[in-house]
Amino acid sequence: AQSVTQLDSQVPVFEEAPVELRCNYSSSVSVYLFWYVQYPNQGLQLLLKYLSGSTLVKGINGFEAEFNKSQTSFHLRKPSVHISDTAEYFCAVSGIQGAQKLVFGQGTRLTINP
Amino acid sequence: EPEVTQTPSHQVTQMGQEVILRCVPISNHLYFYWYRQILGQKVEFLVSFYNNEISEKSEIFDDQFSVERPDGSNFTLKIRSTKLEDSAMYFCASSNRDFQETQYFGPGTRLLVL
Repeated sequence: AQSVTQLDSQVPVFEEAPVELRCNYSSSVSVYLFWYVQYPNQGLQLLLKYLSGSTLVKGINGFEAEFNKSQTSFHLRKPSVHISDTAEYFCAVSGIQGAQKLVFGQGTRLTINP
Repeated sequence: EPEVTQTPSHQVTQMGQEVILRCVPISNHLYFYWYRQILGQKVEFLVSFYNNEISEKSEIFDDQFSVERPDGSNFTLKIRSTKLEDSAMYFCASSNRDFQETQYFGPGTRLLVL
């Protein structure tokens, strides 16, 4: 079984400041890792994913995440946030054999203040 | 850009009534999923569907739930006799053969059971 913990339920940040959203996972098997974003009144949009290879993954909107196997973490970062980044961010894992369910974390609400 | 669509966006129903939530996955996708998110809680997997069969289901997906792909485009979730605790946002997702791990989500249907 897999589980995901997002350590912060809410993160307030000033515009143009850097941000890190933390995600830790637990799994007895190899996993794929994902970050999804949910803007108000919209569905879940894929930000980035880690399948294999380089542990630093770049996604859309200037976000990146680093897979750390020893710490079982997949933290999301952005060097300078914008008001439009205000959203809920979800970390998720899946198994690696074919099409498998996603297991989500609780979500982190990122609020950007001017 | 192709996207997953869901109807209705909102549904209010009385306890004990049947509801059908509809989804139109991306046209060349082969794997289909339903997830739900109770207010303030995690996004939870309900069921996955491939080749006209359920691939996997969670313990939430009991006999009150069923899924169907009645034609080449729609994918439905039926709740036979709704309970108050079925109130949630329901998300449909789909993925294709070549990138099975990447699920594309619809905007969701908000179900309120009174």
